[in-house]
Amino acid sequence: GIQVEQSPPDLILQEGANSTLRCNFSDSVNNLQWFHQNPWGQLINLFYIPSGTKQNGRLSATTVATERYSLLYISSSQTTDSGVYFCAVVIRGTSGSRLTFGEGTQLTVNP
Amino acid sequence: DTEVTQTPKHLVMGMTNKKSLKCEQHMGHRAMYWYKQKAKKPPELMFVYSYEKLSINESVPSRFSPECPNSSLLNLHLHALQPEDSALYLCASSPTMARRDTEAFFGQGTRLTVV
Repeated sequence: GIQVEQSPPDLILQEGANSTLRCNFSDSVNNLQWFHQNPWGQLINLFYIPSGTKQNGRLSATTVATERYSLLYISSSQTTDSGVYFCAVVIRGTSGSRLTFGEGTQLTVNP
Repeated sequence: DTEVTQTPKHLVMGMTNKKSLKCEQHMGHRAMYWYKQKAKKPPELMFVYSYEKLSINESVPSRFSPECPNSSLLNLHLHALQPEDSALYLCASSPTMARRDTEAFFGQGTRLTVV
């Protein structure tokens, strides 16, 4: 099956720093999403980005589908950005579409 | 409204109990999903319903029984679970399973403990 690799696995930042999270995938995908999982377990949609670049406040994302990677940029990080960031890709099989997750990046932002 | 509501938020059950997890969405989505997430791991797909029909079963043990009574509701019936089934159970929905119509929205999860 498809492999989804995220890097780095862990990231510790000081408040105000910028960071880039990466997601590589091994095969063509129909779509890609970035999520933030907060400490209570809620998966929050950040971006739905099969290709191109999107921005939402301090966050932006770029997917280059032909080269099979996506990047999530966090600028001016805040303590509330802490949590796990997941990249998930949609692949379509014979029985339907699946959303497959990478292992995640654990982000800790210190005050 | 992009809300998926799951109940209960927390559940403790014995190995001989029968319980159900519930999931509801009012976004008009026709695909609904159950995921299981263990600590420090990503969510793993269990079941997918498309237009109220079971589309994908990822070889889940029969002690987990999904049900989709209508297009807004998804249940997961639990019976004779094992302690290793303790996990966060997440429900999600998306407009359809079609190629470009698959943005998924997740509920807040049910944290299940089997004792």
